Formats: sequence, structure tokens, C-alpha cells
Amino acid sequence: DIQMTQSPSSLPASLGDRVTITCRASQDIGNYLRWFQQKPGKSPRLMIYGATNLANGVPSRFSGSRSGSDYSLTINSLESEDMAIYYCLQHNEYNTFGAGTKLELK
Amino acid sequence: QVQLKESGPGLVQPSQTLSLTCTVSGFSLTSYNVHWVRQPPGKGLEWMGVIWSGGNTDYNSALKPRLSISRDTSKSQVFLTMNSLQTEDTGIYYCNRNIHNYWGQGVMVTVSS
Repeated sequence: DIQMTQSPSSLPASLGDRVTITCRASQDIGNYLRWFQQKPGKSPRLMIYGATNLANGVPSRFSGSRSGSDYSLTINSLESEDMAIYYCLQHNEYNTFGAGTKLELK
Repeated sequence: QVQLKESGPGLVQPSQTLSLTCTVSGFSLTSYNVHWVRQPPGKGLEWMGVIWSGGNTDYNSALKPRLSISRDTSKSQVFLTMNSLQTEDTGIYYCNRNIHNYWGQGVMVTVSS
């Protein structure tokens, strides 16, 4: 089974910061990588698909990138509405979520 | 518009069987895949399985012995059945289309006597 190692598990940050969350895949997954945002009491929301593509309606301060087996979600100029838990998902072989990163105000 | 809604019992006794229904609208089950994802309280997301548009299924290897997903295309419903429930199966169960833009609101399932 493919494992997704997500880091950090917790990320304190200030408004206006630039933050990066990373997932490392245990096997090649190509660009079959998505990022989701989840707020308390809500269903996950797709943010990035195909490793680098912004989903509909997602602000342009969000971006995704890939370097080898490392996939990153970057948020530029953090806003209060961005405080949430973020999960990566590989869907190259079955589906595996990362453990999540809780983005919170410092 | 595309909608998915989960339904089922909120409380299940240990060792019993869970049966959930995902009722969809705005799309055809023969054109899109429907996945089930669950989330224990305060924990992360776990992919459970999928019923493909063609009707085949795939399951998380850890759950495969206990899990079954089926559908009734005429009713636009997808069914999840999981047996031998334990307390660690407590959580929110979501259905979604292609693990992409469209998710149900989730249904909370508590396994307790």
C-alpha cells in the first residue's frame, strides 16, 4: 500500500505569513495528488488537484507543487479563513490520505 | 445541481452490522464513481472504498474483510455495509463523487452498547 507522510502535523502561523505543508509518497504516484481543506463540522473541500491545479473557486494565494516524491501546498499571505486542517490524498493506486496538518494562529 | 446525502442509524451495537445509504442527485451513478471516506472523532480521513461507474468495487485492504459497497442505479443510491463493528468504527462517514468537489454532509455513527 502507498503511504503518504504529511508534515508538519501542526503549523502555528501569523496572518500574512507564507506557509508550506508537505506530503511525501512512499511510491511513485505521478501527479495523482490532491489537497483538501477541512474546517470544524464541515466536509472536506478540494483545493488542489493534479498536484498543481487550483480547484474552482479557490483563492490564488493557494498553490501546489511537486519535487520528486514530495508534494507541497503553499499558502501565500495567510488569511484568517485559511485556518483549518489540510490533507493530501494520493489516488494513483487506490486512495490514501495523509495524516493532516492543523494550521492555526500563532 | 450535484448533491450527495448520507443516511443511516446513528447508533450501532458492537459486533453488529452498519448499513448506510448515500442518495445522490444531479448526476448518474453509471457515469461517476462514488467513494466512502470516514473520520473518527478528532482524527484524520480514511478512504474506505469505491463503487466504480461500471459497478465494480475496490476496498481499503484493512477493511475489505468486513466491507461491502453496492448500488441501486434506479434509485440513485449507493449502499455501504460493514459488519463486526467495534468502538473504533465510531466516526463520521462521508460519501463523495470521485473524491473531488462533491461530498455529502456526512453521517455520524456511534458504536456503543
